[in-house]
Amino acid sequence: KQEVTQIPAALSVPEGENLVLNCSFTDSAIYNLQWFRQDPGKGLTSLLLIQSSQREQTSGRLNASLDKSSGRSTLYIAASQPGDSATYLCAVSPPLVFGKGTRLSVIA
Amino acid sequence: EAQVTQNPRYLITVTGKKLTVTCSQNMNHEYMSWYRQDPGLGLRQIYYSMNVEVTDKGDVPEGYKVSRKEKRNFPLILESPSPNQTSLYFCASSLRTGGIRANEQFFGPGTRLTVL
Repeated sequence: KQEVTQIPAALSVPEGENLVLNCSFTDSAIYNLQWFRQDPGKGLTSLLLIQSSQREQTSGRLNASLDKSSGRSTLYIAASQPGDSATYLCAVSPPLVFGKGTRLSVIA
Repeated sequence: EAQVTQNPRYLITVTGKKLTVTCSQNMNHEYMSWYRQDPGLGLRQIYYSMNVEVTDKGDVPEGYKVSRKEKRNFPLILESPSPNQTSLYFCASSLRTGGIRANEQFFGPGTRLTVL
């Protein structure tokens, strides 16, 4: 059964730092991997979707990489801002299995 | 605007009183699903639907029912709610077929349910 792990569970950084969030999965037979952002008590916003044939995707200050053979993905956030504070979740499919997320706090 | 909507957003009810949480998407998506999110347990899938009249159990289906009579709607039904169903519920949808982004999941804003 697919298991998704996100480390660390929580992270606090000063504003302006570049940071990396990690996601690992046990079964490399995935179709895609998706990164989400969740603000407290709110829904999930899709950030990036990486197909299994791709190595990375970029959107603004965000860059997600995928190494399917090793079962790993990273989300790189450049020049972090207080508005980036949220929980970041990764999910692999099929079927859609979520990690428990990394709670990020960016301190001004 | 392309979106997934859920109603109600907040609901407090009592044990045993049947309730329905509605979910609707305007993107002509084939695939729809329901999740619950609990502290320490993350997001767990309750039910999913591959298309109209096609539904199947997810990881935690006990105590829930769903129906998919129309492509856009996927209501979640709790016939006899219990306190252990107190949770944050999310509906999600994806196109499922065709195109590189076919499996991108779109989530509704969530429904916070409290069962007393």
